[in-house]
Amino acid sequence: GAVVSQHPSWVICKSGTSVKIECRSLDFQATTMFWYRQFPKQSLMLMATSNEGSKATYEQGVEKDKFLINHASLTLSTLTVTSAHPEDSSFYICSAPGTTYNEQFFGPGTRLTVL
Amino acid sequence: GENVEQHPSTLSVQEGDSAVIKCTYSDSASNYFPWYKQELGKGPQLIIDIRSNVGEKKDQRIAVTLNKTAKHFSLHITETQPEDSAVYFCAASFGAGKSTFGDGTTLTVKP
Repeated sequence: GAVVSQHPSWVICKSGTSVKIECRSLDFQATTMFWYRQFPKQSLMLMATSNEGSKATYEQGVEKDKFLINHASLTLSTLTVTSAHPEDSSFYICSAPGTTYNEQFFGPGTRLTVL
Repeated sequence: GENVEQHPSTLSVQEGDSAVIKCTYSDSASNYFPWYKQELGKGPQLIIDIRSNVGEKKDQRIAVTLNKTAKHFSLHITETQPEDSAVYFCAASFGAGKSTFGDGTTLTVKP
């Protein structure tokens, strides 16, 4: 149990376009999901907390108008990178807390490359 | 906010040897300390975790120890195998699942 999926697994887009990444909890409900960004050979950096039915909470320094988050249901959160630029190229990973104490289940990640 | 430091950044061991990775955290309110294994191009996978009311936890070849007073915790892998080669991250959190990660340790197990 406790499986989190992401779609797509990789995406290549042109500079200036928008890209949507989906995060789904497959066998459990998640009122909260987390979005991380990971650059090569670096750690995971929390970007925002996605809240079902309310606005996302963004970490300091993350542009909320650029990284749009929508938590449409108890099993789906989406991250849209608007007007993507090459510096947005990264590995984006989502996670959802399990039903017990603080544990997180991570998705497989989405590799975004902006040309 | 929480700050997690992880050492070493790289670790190379011979197959069969033990590997130890250490982390320190700054926020005494943190009460959950997971360890994740990340293989290239994949998301992190939880391998073991420990809560602040426990000092040690073991799962087959993997063990984690926690010293709340000193604010540090360690991952121990015994009888290492080549498939243990990966990047390992420690993390610390308090409530709500929001975690602060260490910078990661690249473990290489030589056959």
